[in-house]
Amino acid sequence: GIQVEQSPPDLILQEGANSTLRCNFSDSVNNLQWFHQNPWGQLINLFYIPSGTKQNGRLSATTVATERYSLLYISSSQTTDSGVYFCAVEAGTNFGNEKLTFGTGTRLTIIP
Amino acid sequence: EAQVTQNPRYLITVTGKKLTVTCSQNMNHEYMSWYRQDPGLGLRQIYYSMNVEVTDKGDVPEGYKVSRKEKRNFPLILESPSPNQTSLYFCASSLFAGLAGGNEQFFGPGTRLTVL
Repeated sequence: GIQVEQSPPDLILQEGANSTLRCNFSDSVNNLQWFHQNPWGQLINLFYIPSGTKQNGRLSATTVATERYSLLYISSSQTTDSGVYFCAVEAGTNFGNEKLTFGTGTRLTIIP
Repeated sequence: EAQVTQNPRYLITVTGKKLTVTCSQNMNHEYMSWYRQDPGLGLRQIYYSMNVEVTDKGDVPEGYKVSRKEKRNFPLILESPSPNQTSLYFCASSLFAGLAGGNEQFFGPGTRLTVL
């Protein structure tokens, strides 16, 4: 099946810093989404971005599908940004099952 | 507000006592699925449904049942829960299930289940 790798696995930053999280995937995809899992376990939709670039406030994301990677940028980090960030992809050949394959996540800790 | 809801959010139960975790979406989505999240194993798909009365196994279906009698609801049933089913469960939905795929998926808030 498709493989999804995220880097770095852990990131500790001072409040106000910027960061870039990377997601590499091993095959063509129909869908790519970024999620933030908060300390209560909820998965928060950040971006639906199978290709191109999107921005939402301090967050932006870029997916280069032909090169099989996506980047999530977080600017001016706040303590509320802490948590685990997941990249999830739907493989290009899904046979009707839109299963998302999740990466192992990047654990982000923002220190005040 | 467009959303996926799950109930209960937290549940502690004992081995063998049948339970149902409900999932409901108000977006008229055709596709729904269940995942479980475990430390070191990530999120894995349990079952999915492409439409009413159409369900199929995901990667880890053992010990679970599902039904899809109405478009909006997709309950997860544990007939005889065991401690290895202690996990964080997520329901998800998307607009359309088809070979083209590629639809944005929306996740419920999660259900934290502990089986003693």
